[in-house]
Amino acid sequence: EDKVVQSPLSLVVHEGDTVTLNCSYEVTNFRSLLWYKQGKKAPTFLFMLTSSGIEKKSGRLSSILDKKELFSILNITATQTGDSAIYLCAVDRTTGNQFYFGTGTSLTVIP
Amino acid sequence: NAGVTQTPKFQVLKTGQSMTLQCAQDMNHEYMSWYRQDPGMGLRLIHYSVGAGITDQGEVPNGYNVSRSTTEDFPLRLLSAAPSQTSVYFCASSWDGELFFGEGSRLTVL
Repeated sequence: EDKVVQSPLSLVVHEGDTVTLNCSYEVTNFRSLLWYKQGKKAPTFLFMLTSSGIEKKSGRLSSILDKKELFSILNITATQTGDSAIYLCAVDRTTGNQFYFGTGTSLTVIP
Repeated sequence: NAGVTQTPKFQVLKTGQSMTLQCAQDMNHEYMSWYRQDPGMGLRLIHYSVGAGITDQGEVPNGYNVSRSTTEDFPLRLLSAAPSQTSVYFCASSWDGELFFGEGSRLTVL
């Protein structure tokens, strides 16, 4: 059965800390892995990863994919209260139902 | 550019009532989908469509119907609402491997 597992389920850190969010997957017909950030409204796109070992970076956020070990990590450095959100990992497949989501990691950044 | 538009944003129903959540996108995307989001459950796929006239079931289709008569519109119908359908619903379209979400519709069934 296809699955996407995120860990931890929730995390509370202080401003300035660095956090690492994990996403492992077992999905047939893998095409890419996506990260989304969800505040109070709809998820917003962060990264799309298709190749192993190539880091994607946007400001204080970065992500990398390991297609051999079937996981991805999302790093956030120097966290800010505005980083408080649910971070969702999704896998895009090449056939049928394309996108398969994990349950998300809830991040709370305390001032 | 409006993107993905969902209506209504909020709705309260009584058990047994029917309603339709509307979703429209103006990006000419072939793939559209409906998700529900419940605490601790992430986003679960209800139904999806890979083009006009084509729909298929996702993980949690029971109690919901969809149709796709045009590329732009993908309405989600609840024929007889149940309290278990209380949730936040997101419509999304996809292009080039990226999902674009609507703002969400919060539905409460009493």
